[in-house]
Amino acid sequence: DGGITQSPKYLFRKEGQNVTLSCEQNLNHDAMYWYRQDPGQGLRLIYYSQIVNDFQKGDIAEGYSVSREKKESFPLTVTSAQKNPTAFYLCASSMTQGGNSPLHFGNGTRLTVT
Amino acid sequence: QKEVEQNSGPLSVPEGAIASLNCTYSDRGSQSFFWYRQYSGKSPELIMFIYSNGDKEDGRFTAQLNKASQYVSLLIRDSQPSDSATYLCAVNQVQGAQKLVFGQGTRLTINP
Repeated sequence: DGGITQSPKYLFRKEGQNVTLSCEQNLNHDAMYWYRQDPGQGLRLIYYSQIVNDFQKGDIAEGYSVSREKKESFPLTVTSAQKNPTAFYLCASSMTQGGNSPLHFGNGTRLTVT
Repeated sequence: QKEVEQNSGPLSVPEGAIASLNCTYSDRGSQSFFWYRQYSGKSPELIMFIYSNGDKEDGRFTAQLNKASQYVSLLIRDSQPSDSATYLCAVNQVQGAQKLVFGQGTRLTINP
């Protein structure tokens, strides 16, 4: 079955440590995205990538970094520079067809930093 | 003014009734509109998308778009307790590089 796999489901880290969230898709989608969701709020775009080896900052990129070395993979690193990293992180993908194709989401990673 | 606005609710509807969820957006250039359903602790799942003015029906769901008034709505007919969730409105504001802007979501509760 095609889909998007995020791992791990839950992640706990100490303040000051970098942490990398995994996202893999087998939908053959060109575009991939990372969103952050805080309790009771909508989704905010962190980074997105349209093709391999290229990515753009979203609305809240500070304190995050990404790579896109393979079409299937788009890992997100939450660095120690991110002031408030505890959140629900969602990876998504879409076919790039004039910007009208819907997003498909992974199951999310819930990150807690103490 | 927020780019995409939804009433956060909670919206309470009796089982079997019609639930009406509304969303307004600020960018007149917006072209694509999506409704996602999100159960507590889960990721969003696509319910419907609409690109043209008017109504689009899919089973118990109807999406309505009015670009002149800059609003999009979702109607759920014959509401079921399983429809209880948060509904997110998303608007695509960038042609080519799809950048969805999400509303904060409306929490819907269907009362048996």
